[in-house]
Amino acid sequence: AQKITQTQPGMFVQEKEAVTLDCTYDTSDQSYGLFWYKQPSSGEMIFLIYQGSYDEQNATEGRYSLNFQKARKSANLVISASQLGDSAMYFCAIDNDMRFGAGTRLTVKP
Amino acid sequence: NAGVTQTPKFRILKIGQSMTLQCAQDMNHNYMYWYRQDPGMGLKLIYYSVGAGITDKGEVPNGYNVSRSTTEDFPLRLELAAPSQTSVYFCASADASSGNTIYFGEGSWLTVV
Repeated sequence: AQKITQTQPGMFVQEKEAVTLDCTYDTSDQSYGLFWYKQPSSGEMIFLIYQGSYDEQNATEGRYSLNFQKARKSANLVISASQLGDSAMYFCAIDNDMRFGAGTRLTVKP
Repeated sequence: NAGVTQTPKFRILKIGQSMTLQCAQDMNHNYMYWYRQDPGMGLKLIYYSVGAGITDKGEVPNGYNVSRSTTEDFPLRLELAAPSQTSVYFCASADASSGNTIYFGEGSWLTVV
């Protein structure tokens, strides 16, 4: 089975600054993809960004970008210009078996 | 524009009771999943299905059963409910042709007392 690790249970960032949320994975598959989801306090799961293992350029979606380092098996989420509304739980997942990491709780300080 | 629909949204069960959480998707997705999320924790995969008639165990299948008789529906059955099954349950679906993006239902809050 694949394994997803998020080593930061909680992170704080000042409003308008950038923050990186870590995610490492363990898979023997050659083809796979990594997701990031946001879960605000209201509970719904919101898709943020996806990158496939064969994508050559790091994925970006607005203020979200994925720092994908295949050799290190890491897929860190970078949020630029943090906003108060970014405060939430963030989960990464690998698509081969749709397993999620334990999550990181991000708090944006005004 | 329904997407993934879960019912019920809230339920209180007594220990030993059984119930079924319903999940339906109208996107013709072949993959469907059930997760549970305990308070302050991540999502744990209970069961998944890659198509009608095919189901498989995830990380935490004990105490649950599923079936997938149609593409649209993927009910989760709890037999002999236990307090340890108090959790939020999410159903999700995905289609490989759309980049494997997972679409989630809104969650079902289950309390076993």
